[in-house]
Amino acid sequence: SQTIHQWPATLVQPVGSPLSLECTVEGTSNPNLYWYRQAAGRGLQLLFYSVGIGQISSEVPQNLSASRPQDRQFILSSKKLLLSDSGFYLCAWSPPAGELFFGEGSRLTVL
Amino acid sequence: AQSVTQLDSQVPVFEEAPVELRCNYSSSVSVYLFWYVQYPNQGLQLLLKYLSGSTLVKGINGFEAEFNKSQTSFHLRKPSVHISDTAEYFCAVSGSLGTYKYIFGTGTRLKVLA
Repeated sequence: SQTIHQWPATLVQPVGSPLSLECTVEGTSNPNLYWYRQAAGRGLQLLFYSVGIGQISSEVPQNLSASRPQDRQFILSSKKLLLSDSGFYLCAWSPPAGELFFGEGSRLTVL
Repeated sequence: AQSVTQLDSQVPVFEEAPVELRCNYSSSVSVYLFWYVQYPNQGLQLLLKYLSGSTLVKGINGFEAEFNKSQTSFHLRKPSVHISDTAEYFCAVSGSLGTYKYIFGTGTRLKVLA
């Protein structure tokens, strides 16, 4: 069966520090991969998605970037965090047609 | 492009009462539709999905939803709620042909009262 792992679960970082959130999927190949951010009362905002290695589509121009160095690995990064980057980040994967499967999320607090 | 509207941000309901959470979508292409549930500080779990076929879709935990193409709606219903159904519920849409984006509504917080 397929599983998705996301870490770290909780992160507290100062403004201006770098960020790296990692997500891996097991039990499937060539998944579509996604990063969402959830802010209180604002639902889920799609940040990035990827349909293959090295293929990244950005939905919202901002302080973040994403990379897919391997087929089942998706990384969310920032060189310098802003206060507004605080939130709950969710990684997800999907097959070519069907539902999204979510990781457990990473809560980022920028102070 | 697709969009999703969940008109109710919060829905309080008494235990064992029925509930309906509303979802309307907008799309210029055929769609797939989904309902997810989220418990505090957790990821989202799929409740049910409409990909094709019967417009009445049954999911986990006794939930069901009906796809209404003419009204562009996909409302979620449960005939009798439990305290454990207290959570946030999200409706989502994706294009059914060659698109990869899943667009979510802003969520409805269901609070079941004893």
